[in-house]
Amino acid sequence: DTAVSQTPKYLVTQMGNDKSIKCEQNLGHDTMYWYKQDSKKFLKIMFSYNNKELIINETVPNRFSPKSPDKAHLNLHINSLELGDSAVYFCASSRDRTGGNYGYTFGSGTRLTVV
Amino acid sequence: AQKITQTQPGMFVQEKEAVTLDCTYDTSDPSYGLFWYKQPSSGEMIFLIYQGSYDQQNATEGRYSLNFQKARKSANLVISASQLGDSAMYFCAMRPRWRGAGSYQLTFGKGTKLSVIP
Repeated sequence: DTAVSQTPKYLVTQMGNDKSIKCEQNLGHDTMYWYKQDSKKFLKIMFSYNNKELIINETVPNRFSPKSPDKAHLNLHINSLELGDSAVYFCASSRDRTGGNYGYTFGSGTRLTVV
Repeated sequence: AQKITQTQPGMFVQEKEAVTLDCTYDTSDPSYGLFWYKQPSSGEMIFLIYQGSYDQQNATEGRYSLNFQKARKSANLVISASQLGDSAMYFCAMRPRWRGAGSYQLTFGKGTKLSVIP
């Protein structure tokens, strides 16, 4: 059983297209995240939802829109894709939104290539 | 704001030797957690070890130990008896433990690429 699953694993698309990445977790966690890992491997948070409520919304273009239909799912929709959007996008979840000794459980990542 | 610094972009270690990966941090939070993650070439992020800022003892998990020096704001990862499968990117990360209604996001360093030589 995959704890945090993302689909698709690879996504190759043309500039200007709209695409979505889906994420689901079966851990019963309350909080989910989207991170972007650039070509230099730097991981930067984009969004976080806690029980379907948006709690972190970092400075990302408004072409990126997260949606959480329930606390087990967090999807990322990207409009009008640009070359600079090429990266690996990671979904993650944590038991709750607060601190403590709980890290994140990550999905396997979606490698997005915009051509 | 939290900041994680990993000053070693790349490291080499001989198989079966020990290696230390450096991590320093900066935060104004009185209580926080420090994490190390491994990212092999296959791309997944694997949790390795956790250290709480108020924990009295340094954390250990099998061949991994965390050398936590709070006054120096460092949280170095020590891997003993390196194996070929340890070749990967290693990320240090930090998360506050109490901020009330504030943000508890996990902030990552830029990573260190470890290569284990046979």
